[in-house]
Amino acid sequence: GENVEQHPSTLSVQEGDSAVIKCTYSDSASNYFPWYKQELGKRPQLIIDIRSNVGEKKDQRIAVTLNKTAKHFSLHITETQPEDSAVYFCAASRANQAGTALIFGKGTTLSVSS
Amino acid sequence: ETGVTQTPRHLVMGMTNKKSLKCEQHLGHNAMYWYKQSAKKPLELMFVYNFKEQTENNSVPSRFSPECPNSSHLFLHLHTLQPEDSALYLCASSPFAASYNEQFFGPGTRLTVL
Repeated sequence: GENVEQHPSTLSVQEGDSAVIKCTYSDSASNYFPWYKQELGKRPQLIIDIRSNVGEKKDQRIAVTLNKTAKHFSLHITETQPEDSAVYFCAASRANQAGTALIFGKGTTLSVSS
Repeated sequence: ETGVTQTPRHLVMGMTNKKSLKCEQHLGHNAMYWYKQSAKKPLELMFVYNFKEQTENNSVPSRFSPECPNSSHLFLHLHTLQPEDSALYLCASSPFAASYNEQFFGPGTRLTVL
């Protein structure tokens, strides 16, 4: 079945720096890769996603890149701010005959210090 | 509010108790999910329902019993749980159990098994 590996598990940056989180997946049939942000004590919320027919997608300070050949995708946050501090989860869709499900990575705890 | 509510928000139960978790979505979605979130582990998919039909059981022990009476409501019945079942249980919904569908999470139920 699908397996998603996420690195690093923790990441500390200074305000204004960039942060990069990387994920790899095992199932070459996966075709949808969302990123969720979970602030302390809150529910996970989608921040950006990418489909397998696209190599890069940007939304203001956040970007995601996808390398289908290597089966890895990354989240890039530029000009980090303290409110970016949270746990970030990557996920990959896994298809079966009944539909699809998301398989999540273990999460990366990002701390942005001012 | 994301339109997905869960009750109770906190639950403490003994290993011999029987309790139920409730999830309700007000988004008009047709797919609903149960996830388990433990410390330092990825979001673990437990069950998927699509149009009230269970389409995924991710090898979950039988002491967890899901019920989906309609597309808006999802229950997780608990009995004879173990201390290692203590975790945050998250419900989510999406338009369909298909690729490219953002999942909207509820706030979760923090379960403690004594």
